[in-house]
Amino acid sequence: DAKTTQPPSMDCAEGRAANLPCNHSTISGNEYVYWYRQIHSQGPQYIIHGLKNNETNEMASLIITEDRKSSTLILPHATLRDTAVYYCIVTSGANSKLTFGKGITLSVRP
Amino acid sequence: SQTIHQWPATLVQPVGSPLSLECTVEGTSNPNLYWYRQAAGRGLQLLFYSVGIGQISSEVPQNLSASRPQDRQFILSSKKLLLSDSGFYLCAWSRGITDTQYFGPGTRLTVL
Repeated sequence: DAKTTQPPSMDCAEGRAANLPCNHSTISGNEYVYWYRQIHSQGPQYIIHGLKNNETNEMASLIITEDRKSSTLILPHATLRDTAVYYCIVTSGANSKLTFGKGITLSVRP
Repeated sequence: SQTIHQWPATLVQPVGSPLSLECTVEGTSNPNLYWYRQAAGRGLQLLFYSVGIGQISSEVPQNLSASRPQDRQFILSSKKLLLSDSGFYLCAWSRGITDTQYFGPGTRLTVL
């Protein structure tokens, strides 16, 4: 599975959009981009995933560049409860293994 | 809807003692099941996965073992715990081998 690069941290004001970037320049054609988040001392929570097209669900939007080498997770209206570590993962799923890096720590401030 | 349970939530065990962690999934049949470990300040490491009853694949050599006695039950065990076994143990499930994995709440194990 391709490796991803995320900045270590970012902060966002409550009520504003949080845009979390991820680079995956070595992504292969059959690999999906997944986003999970982990609030302290809890299990990772699935957020969203996509292959080529932009995706949106009740939690977030995922914007994937046309060359698929990078993506952005957008939380449209961040709340204090969105403070967590967000992991960007690229996987074909074929080997069943999710490789979580260090992720990006999002801090939402009041 | 599907839910995944893990217990206990926290556990403190002495070195050399046995271990048994349990994971159960509700609301689905024949799930793929996974055990991960997250050491402090590190990413997740896949330990075992199972595609069916009695079918276990091990990802890394260690003194842990896994079993799947029932369709929706996955157990992580050890005969003798080591200090290095401390960590946050997560169970996950997916519908198929390439589908989204959903995680349980985790068990925090401290070996003293």
